[in-house]
Amino acid sequence: NAGVTQTPKFRILKIGQSMTLQCTQDMNHNYMYWYRQDPGMGLKLIYYSVGAGITDKGEVPNGYNVSRSTTEDFPLRLELAAPSQTSVYFCASRPGQGFTEAFFGQGTRLTVV
Amino acid sequence: AQKVTQAQTEISVVEKEDVTLDCVYETRDTTYYLFWYKQPPSGELVFLIRRNSFDEQNEISGRYSWNFQKSTSSFNFTITASQVVDSAVYFCALSEAHGGATNKLIFGTGTLLAVQP
Repeated sequence: NAGVTQTPKFRILKIGQSMTLQCTQDMNHNYMYWYRQDPGMGLKLIYYSVGAGITDKGEVPNGYNVSRSTTEDFPLRLELAAPSQTSVYFCASRPGQGFTEAFFGQGTRLTVV
Repeated sequence: AQKVTQAQTEISVVEKEDVTLDCVYETRDTTYYLFWYKQPPSGELVFLIRRNSFDEQNEISGRYSWNFQKSTSSFNFTITASQVVDSAVYFCALSEAHGGATNKLIFGTGTLLAVQP
């Protein structure tokens, strides 16, 4: 039972570089989310998806892009990395809206220098 | 607008003390769902409980208990006889059935609980 898998676990980027954070889930969940957690802060929603081909912005989408071509995968793309994007990124999935809890990946710790 | 407020940034207690973590939420929806998650020092997020807006019964699970009061828009979490292993960041979260956050899961800023031996 893999659940939600994120790769990589750690990454150091230079300013201006690009990268994709991978997220895959094997629970056939329709809803997927990307959050960022800054030190000492809560979880802020970056983007979310309610199914393949459907994505929408969350609270802090600037500097990020997502796609959802399959139910299983929800990659997060950073185009021009900035120090402000240094954070821990969590991917989550849930079966549907409302009264269903989210299952989280282990997180990706990203440092932009 | 939907919002979750956890006003307590950090709480420090001594082992065996009882501690209550506060969660206040804002929503215009009449049907909504509340959640608590635990984030231990290892960093993963662990689901603890969910509650829908029609169920105001308090819940107890071992040393954990939750008090949901619609009148004050609060969903507080109490740990009885705290232990060092309870040291973690605790998050409260909100999801709506009909409103603007229907598809979202909105988190509070979390409360860092430190239990000293």
